[in-house]
Amino acid sequence: DVKVTQSSRYLVKRTGEKVFLECVQDMDHENMFWYRQDPGLGLRLIYFSYDVKMKEKGDIPEGYSVSREKKERFSLILESASTNQTSMYLCASRHGRNQPQHFGDGTRLSIL
Amino acid sequence: AQTVTQSQPEMSVQEAETVTLSCTYDTSENNYYLFWYKQPPSRQMILVIRQEAYKQQNATENRFSVNFQKAAKSFSLKISDSQLGDTAMYFCAFTPNGNDMRFGAGTRLTVKP
Repeated sequence: DVKVTQSSRYLVKRTGEKVFLECVQDMDHENMFWYRQDPGLGLRLIYFSYDVKMKEKGDIPEGYSVSREKKERFSLILESASTNQTSMYLCASRHGRNQPQHFGDGTRLSIL
Repeated sequence: AQTVTQSQPEMSVQEAETVTLSCTYDTSENNYYLFWYKQPPSRQMILVIRQEAYKQQNATENRFSVNFQKAAKSFSLKISDSQLGDTAMYFCAFTPNGNDMRFGAGTRLTVKP
């Protein structure tokens, strides 16, 4: 089975801090994704990556950046955390186009 | 716009009964894939079922089946013989261009004993 591991289940940070969310997958998937999940809004795509060092903006990239230095790892960075970034963050990976995405457990991030 | 609409924010069903969750989507693409995902409380999102748009036959996975109406852009999920473990958020999603995936807002399903 595909394993997608997010570094933290719960995280509390302060406004203005730089926050790193890490995601690692063990199935050599080319594609990786970061979403945020908010009640009533479903999942919204922040960034995705097709390959190492490649990244594409999703629907809500403002206030976020990403890094993919190795194929198995995709990091989400909140450059200067704000309270409106309090949310559940989900990482996912998949093998190719139109394939199902495999999700991590999620990180519930609170910005105080 | 490539959007997914789940018009039922919450639903409930008695154990052993059948329930149908609705989903509609909007796209101008002809080839795409549709998915239903399940997210149990405080647990990982997992794939329930997948449908390829160019296949007319509705997908089935054990107690889960879909009713895919391509012309109507409708993709409903039927859960037969509902079990307590089916209690979860259910998300409808599709890949309009083969790359990114679009999700609906979700339907919270509660199975009552």
